[in-house]
Amino acid sequence: AQKVTQAQTEISVVEKEDVTLDCVYETRDTTYYLFWYKQPPSGELVFLIRRNSFDEQNEISGRYSWNFQKSTSSFNFTITASQVVDSAVYFCALIRGDSNYQLIWGAGTKLIIKP
Amino acid sequence: GAVVSQHPSWVICKSGTSVKIECRSLDFQATTMFWYRQFPKQSLMLMATSNEGSKATYEQGVEKDKFLINHASLTLSTLTVTSAHPEDSSFYICSASQGGEQFFGPGTRLTVL
Repeated sequence: AQKVTQAQTEISVVEKEDVTLDCVYETRDTTYYLFWYKQPPSGELVFLIRRNSFDEQNEISGRYSWNFQKSTSSFNFTITASQVVDSAVYFCALIRGDSNYQLIWGAGTKLIIKP
Repeated sequence: GAVVSQHPSWVICKSGTSVKIECRSLDFQATTMFWYRQFPKQSLMLMATSNEGSKATYEQGVEKDKFLINHASLTLSTLTVTSAHPEDSSFYICSASQGGEQFFGPGTRLTVL
């Protein structure tokens, strides 16, 4: 069975601090895709990244970086020098490679950045 | 990029009425669309998978007669909440798949009085 676990329900940090959001996944498939989405208070989901199971390279995009480690089945997300605008709920999700692209969602982590 | 719209963005209705929510892929054709429901402070819950030209596949526990889904074209899927009740109040989100990704609509906030 596929499962995505985001153990951190809520994280609160002061602006400019670095923060890491954890994501652990379970799947028996060899081909799969991992995603991170941001959901601000408006509710609209914002796509952040997609990573396929054969690409373990870490990715950096501005203040955002992702650490994909198949050995620990983790796909963690780090925000460097956090800003108040980063406050949102962040979801990690998994798609099976052979599915009709049905997403398996984590519970989400609410990130609060205090000024 | 692929854009998905939802209409309306919010709706308030009286108990017992039916509400239709539209989901459109604006610049691409989507064979498959998904409907989610999200309760406050919770993750997205998949309600059904909608395939163009065929019946939707509902997740366990989702009443197909309550939540009618129609996917009549490659760019439009509709969700009708029939005889809505206060417990149906929620945030409904659709998505359309293309190239191994899902593109999400902005969501519809339904409040049933």
